[in-house]
Amino acid sequence: DVKVTQSSRYLVKRTGEKVFLECVQDMDHENMFWYRQDPGLGLRLIYFSYDVKMKEKGDIPEGYSVSREKKERFSLILESASTNQTSMYLCASRQGDRDTEAFFGQGTRLTVV
Amino acid sequence: GQSLEQPSEVTAVEGAIVQINCTYQTSGFYGLSWYQQHDGGAPTFLSYNALDGLEETGRFSSFLSRSDSYGYLLLQELQMKDSASYFCAVSPPTDSWGKLQFGAGTQVVVTP
Repeated sequence: DVKVTQSSRYLVKRTGEKVFLECVQDMDHENMFWYRQDPGLGLRLIYFSYDVKMKEKGDIPEGYSVSREKKERFSLILESASTNQTSMYLCASRQGDRDTEAFFGQGTRLTVV
Repeated sequence: GQSLEQPSEVTAVEGAIVQINCTYQTSGFYGLSWYQQHDGGAPTFLSYNALDGLEETGRFSSFLSRSDSYGYLLLQELQMKDSASYFCAVSPPTDSWGKLQFGAGTQVVVTP
């Protein structure tokens, strides 16, 4: 069964902390994504990676960075967490492009206090 | 970036038909996808239109018209379990074509 696993379901961090959100997929997919989801704004793309060590900015990359050292793992980093980064974070992966479906993790609800 | 527009909410009764429109301002993408997300759940893939026209999958159908920059998802014989958010998505041109961008989503509320 296809699986995308996010390391935490709920996370509470303090303002200014460095935060790591981890995502692992077991499908050998080339492409991995980080989205944040806020009410009324849908899924907004933060970063996208199309290969190991390759990344591309999405629509809202400010305040975030990413790391993809291995094909199966894609990490989202908040260098200095702020309260406006409180959100649901969703990781996804898919093979190739075009008509392939994306598979999502269950999400990490991050609260920055 | 890309702009995908969907209505924010649609309400309908069980057994009815609902059409969720998705209009976009982009060029050069491969096709239009649709995803469903129940409250508290992860988005799951529903359908993909590579070519213009209608694709049917059971009670759900999806349509694409590139010339009109428009697509829609049609939900037929609505059931209570269809209450969810529905997102359209495209893969815009990038170095790899793998990027996937979503609209803001349409909340479908099914009432008895």
